[in-house]
Amino acid sequence: GQQLNQSPQSMFIQEGEDVSMNCTSSSIFNTWLWYKQEPGEGPVLLIALYKAGELTSNGRLTAQFGITRKDSFLNISASIPSDVGIYFCAGCGSSNTGKLIFGQGTTLQVKP
Amino acid sequence: GAGVSQSPSNKVTEKGKDVELRCDPISGHTALYWYRQRLGQGLEFLIYFQGNSAPDKSGLPSDRFSAERTGESVSTLTIQRTQQEDSAVYLCASSLPGLAQYFGPGTRLTVL
Repeated sequence: GQQLNQSPQSMFIQEGEDVSMNCTSSSIFNTWLWYKQEPGEGPVLLIALYKAGELTSNGRLTAQFGITRKDSFLNISASIPSDVGIYFCAGCGSSNTGKLIFGQGTTLQVKP
Repeated sequence: GAGVSQSPSNKVTEKGKDVELRCDPISGHTALYWYRQRLGQGLEFLIYFQGNSAPDKSGLPSDRFSAERTGESVSTLTIQRTQQEDSAVYLCASSLPGLAQYFGPGTRLTVL
């Protein structure tokens, strides 16, 4: 079945640093989504990407839908302490059900 | 509230008992999804509803799991004869067709 590899698994950075994480898939996706999850809460949508090559920003966050449709990255610029959390990529493949395949998450810790 | 809501937020049950988890999607969202998240893991797809029909049940782990949706709104996920391996956070999401999914806060299920 479809699988997503998300890396890195965890990051511990200094406040103000930039962060980059990415996901790769064994098969083509039609949609890439990036979510952030904090303890005890559901995932919160950060960025949605619907076209290959699309580059989208949301404040300090930027994400791109890879041209091969098998990968996506998320960048966070000038990190702040409230960026702490687990970031998940999710992809929607060829099925018309909208079923999402999730990566294993990147845990981000920011040192003030 | 405008978001997806779920109840209960926490459920502790004894092995062998049945449990029902409820999801109220965002008003007007015709697509509804259930996912399961084990501790420290990404989300696993369980079932997808379009309206009141479930065209994709491929993620339900066993016949102890079932779900229904009524009035193109509320959905209930039922787990019969719960087992310890059913302990997880159960997350519901809703969306407009083909667009990004928005998640509720989840129900944390603990089977003793």
